[in-house]
Amino acid sequence: DVKVTQSSRYLVKRTGEKVFLECVQDMDHENMFWYRQDPGLGLRLIYFSYDVKMKEKGDIPEGYSVSREKKERFSLILESASTNQTSMYLCASSSGQVHSYEQYFGPGTRLTVT
Amino acid sequence: SQKIEQNSEALNIQEGKTATLTCNYTNYSPAYLQWYRQDPGRGPVFLLLIRENEKEKRKERLKVTFDTTLKQSLFHITASQPADSATYLCALDSHGNKLVFGAGTILRVKS
Repeated sequence: DVKVTQSSRYLVKRTGEKVFLECVQDMDHENMFWYRQDPGLGLRLIYFSYDVKMKEKGDIPEGYSVSREKKERFSLILESASTNQTSMYLCASSSGQVHSYEQYFGPGTRLTVT
Repeated sequence: SQKIEQNSEALNIQEGKTATLTCNYTNYSPAYLQWYRQDPGRGPVFLLLIRENEKEKRKERLKVTFDTTLKQSLFHITASQPADSATYLCALDSHGNKLVFGAGTILRVKS
């Protein structure tokens, strides 16, 4: 079974802190994604990566950065956390194989910025 | 503008009935469409994928249709059970392996 793990289920940070969210997948997937999910807005793509050291902006990258130094690990960084970044953060991975587009999600990290 | 719309109101049905959820989209031309299930406090779980050249796809009690003319997908759960209660998300492809998600529809199956 594909397993995607995220470093924390719940996280509380103060405004201005630097926040690291870690995601690890064990299926040798090429693609990895970071989303945030807010009530009524659905999942919105922050950043994604097709390969090690490669990254592309999603729909809402402002205030975030990412790092992918190893194939299995994709990190989301909030350089200076703000209250409007309070949200559920979901990591996902998918194979780069043709016709294999389903995404596998981690359990999510509920981040609260106070 | 591009939009994916799912019923914002929860769908409440009686156990044993068929649940039908709708996903409409505008200004997209997806090659495929996916459905996911999400339980509270958890990440979405992939259920089904249907391609633009497929009219219908089935998996056990699940059935998905895809009408590219109407720009609509219907997701059916037959013989619904309380364990089917969850939020169901549709997602369509946007440039390769990138997905765009709808906001989801909450399904509640009452026994």
